Amino acid sequence: GAVVSQHPSRVICKSGTSVKIECRSLDFQATTMFWYRQFPKKSLMLMATSNEGSKATYEQGVEKDKFLINHASLTLSTLTVTSAHPEDSSFYICSARALIVAGGLTDTQYFGPGTRLTVL
Amino acid sequence: GQNIDQPTEMTATEGAIVQINCTYQTSGFNGLFWYQQHAGEAPTFLSYNVLDGLEEKGRFSSFLSRSKGYSYLLLKELQMKDSASYLCAVMDSNYQLIWGAGTKLIIKP
Repeated sequence: GAVVSQHPSRVICKSGTSVKIECRSLDFQATTMFWYRQFPKKSLMLMATSNEGSKATYEQGVEKDKFLINHASLTLSTLTVTSAHPEDSSFYICSARALIVAGGLTDTQYFGPGTRLTVL
Repeated sequence: GQNIDQPTEMTATEGAIVQINCTYQTSGFNGLFWYQQHAGEAPTFLSYNVLDGLEEKGRFSSFLSRSKGYSYLLLKELQMKDSASYLCAVMDSNYQLIWGAGTKLIIKP
């Protein structure tokens, strides 16, 4: 159990376009999903925390109008990078926290495989 | 399928040494990461190994054997603040991260 998927795995787009990245918990319901950005030196920066049915909480310095997060259901959160620019090129990783701690699941974050965004 | 295995939980004593193992089976290999995560916080990057051998960084060292699909994180002179979850992740041939479930390390005085 505890599988988190992301789609697409990689995307290349032109500057000025918008890109949507999906994060799904495949076999469990997630109370909370997190979006991270991985920097070249491998550190992970938390961008925002989203709870199903409510507005996301953004970390300081992250533009909420640029990085739109929608958490429509307990198994799906989307991150839309609006009007993408080359500096938005990065590896975006989501994680999900289980709703019910049972059946081998623990109250921890389960990470997705990441989406590599390249903006030309 | 792709798989990362690491112990669920370990307990160690303050001042001691602990080794957290990680074994992996992935389609290709483009590096192995170790992250530390305290409850309620974002993971903190600890190490990245892409070549075989030992990488030492202060009290923390990470070892990799690609032929064995094996890595370990070694923590020396344990401090109470080292109590956290330690995540092992491998980047596969498609540059996707495959994550272990994390090892919860409990440090006792």
